[in-house]
Amino acid sequence: DTGVSQNPRHKITKRGQNVTFRCDPISEHNRLYWYRQTLGQGPEFLTYFQNEAQLEKSRLLSDRFSAERPKGSFSTLEIQRTEQGDSAMYLCASRGDSANEKLFFGSGTQLSVL
Amino acid sequence: GESVGLHLPTLSVQEGDNSIINCAYSNSASDYFIWYKQESGKGPQFIIDIRSNMDKRQGQRVTVLLNKTVKHLSLQIAATQPGDSAVYFCAESGSGNTPLVFGKGTRLSVIA
Repeated sequence: DTGVSQNPRHKITKRGQNVTFRCDPISEHNRLYWYRQTLGQGPEFLTYFQNEAQLEKSRLLSDRFSAERPKGSFSTLEIQRTEQGDSAMYLCASRGDSANEKLFFGSGTQLSVL
Repeated sequence: GESVGLHLPTLSVQEGDNSIINCAYSNSASDYFIWYKQESGKGPQFIIDIRSNMDKRQGQRVTVLLNKTVKHLSLQIAATQPGDSAVYFCAESGSGNTPLVFGKGTRLSVIA
């Protein structure tokens, strides 16, 4: 499978715990995006990378959230001191650099904070 | 500010009929529009896209129409099939590589 891969698919954690999600983009894609989606809503942009550089962060990305893409390939999204309001689907997407490149999504990581 | 929305939260159609899903956007500077299909438990799947220099684009069984005058986007699905049942999102972005902004989605149910 050469699509966007996300792990784990599901994560259940207790409030206050830290969690980390991983995204492996399509191999030739330089741009990698993180979105969050709650039930019944469209995906909301969190942050994106061009290679290893984090170019934009949404105001939704609180201080408890941090994303990295150290080698310009896979990315991790960490949430510290999770809260029940963090429960959502976390989607990763990737695309190439040119203006006509389409954005391809992974299947997401479903986070449930108890 | 930037926002994208949909007129109807749900749409039911008979198998074999054509479906039309509508979307309104507010950012007149939007340059790129895209429709995604999302099935339960999966990430959004690309359907079709269109740039602001076009008003119509066709794919396989799908057509996207863009009316920049009234800032309206629609997705037409011909001969709707049970496998088309899903939530459909429109999304838009400004010029360059600005991140996509998504609407809330329309749930399409196909009645066999």
